[in-house]
This record gives sequence, structure tokens and C-alpha cells, in this order.
Amino acid sequence: AQSVTQLGSHVSVSEGALVLLRCNYSSSVPPYLFWYVQYPNQGLQLLLKYTTGATLVKGINGFEAEFKKSETSFHLTKPSAHMSDAAEYFCAVSYNTDKLIFGTGTRLQVFP
Amino acid sequence: DGGITQSPKYLFRKEGQNVTLSCEQNLNHDAMYWYRQDPGQGLRLIYYSQIVNDFQKGDIAEGYSVSREKKESFPLTVTSAQKNPTAFYLCASSVPGDSNQPQHFGDGTRLSIL
Repeated sequence: AQSVTQLGSHVSVSEGALVLLRCNYSSSVPPYLFWYVQYPNQGLQLLLKYTTGATLVKGINGFEAEFKKSETSFHLTKPSAHMSDAAEYFCAVSYNTDKLIFGTGTRLQVFP
Repeated sequence: DGGITQSPKYLFRKEGQNVTLSCEQNLNHDAMYWYRQDPGQGLRLIYYSQIVNDFQKGDIAEGYSVSREKKESFPLTVTSAQKNPTAFYLCASSVPGDSNQPQHFGDGTRLSIL
């Protein structure tokens, strides 16, 4: 079965440090890839998506992600963490269907 | 502004009771979805609908029911058959048939057992 793996259910960084959240998918067929952010007691907001074309995708709030087919990965990064980045982040994929497959999420904590 | 409205934000269910969660969208999307979110488990698909008067079971449909009588509305009923209903429920919508289009989410309903 197709799946999405997010390594690390919790990630902690200091303010100003690099943020790296990992996402790997299981299929040999490249899917469409998405990163969503969820703040407490809210819905999910799209950060960025990869469909085709350039493998480095820029999103909102200074985040970006790089699609690496050889590694079946779509890791999310931000050069300098801000306190407001503290939230839960979900990687999701779709394979030519309307359904999304979500990872289990990574909770990002940012310390001053 | 277009968006998805879920109500109520908090809901309490008594044993043996059915409760209905509301989801309304004004994005003119044909496809709508219901997810259940539990800590550490991500989002799991309960039901989805790609067009009015049609819907399909997702991965965890047991104990839930839906209807899709209008394009804008996709209510979810949590029946008494759902033995562990405490969770955060999220509704989403999208343009169907175009899987690179993102799903848009409401702000969720948190259901608890009294």
C-alpha cells in the first residue's frame, strides 16, 4: 500500500536555527506532493506543493521543499526558524486520484 | 472570502446518541471530504464525495454516515455505532479530477464524549 513516512514526531529547534522536517513516500511512481501546516485547534493550511517541473518548491512563510525522486523524499526546510513557526506539519501525497494520503505529522517546537 | 465553515467548533455526545457535524463551503468545489484526526495518527479519511448525490467510503467509514444533497454542504453524522468518537474532525473540499489541486480545510469540530 502507498504510504507517507514523516521521520520524527517532534522536532525542536532554537529561534534562528535551520528547520528540517523529513518526508518520504513509498511509491516508485512520483506522486503529487504537499506540505500542510496546522496551528492548535485549527484546520490545515497549504504551505507548498510539487506537481511537475522545478524540483525546488517555494512556499509561504519562507518554507521550501525539494523533490528528490532518487530518494523518494520531499523534505521541508526553512533557513531560520521563528517562534510563529511552532505548529504541526503534515506531508501528503496523491496518485492521480482525488484522495490524499497523509503522514502522521511532525510537531515543531521553537525555543527562544 | 471563500472558504469552508464547520460547526459547531466543540460538540459533546452522550452514550447512544447520534450527532451531526456541519460542513459548508462557498468555493464552488465539487469534491468534499471528511477526515478524523487523532494524536499521532495523522488524518484518516472517513467519507468523500465527488459530486452531489454521490459519496464513497474512506478508510474508516464504520460508525459514520454522510449525505450530499447540495454542492455546498456535506454533513457528517457520528452514530452510536462509533464506539470511540472522541477526535478532531476536519472537512475539506477540492476541485475533483485534478489531483495536483490542493484540498482546502475548515477549522474543525472537536467531538467529546460526556
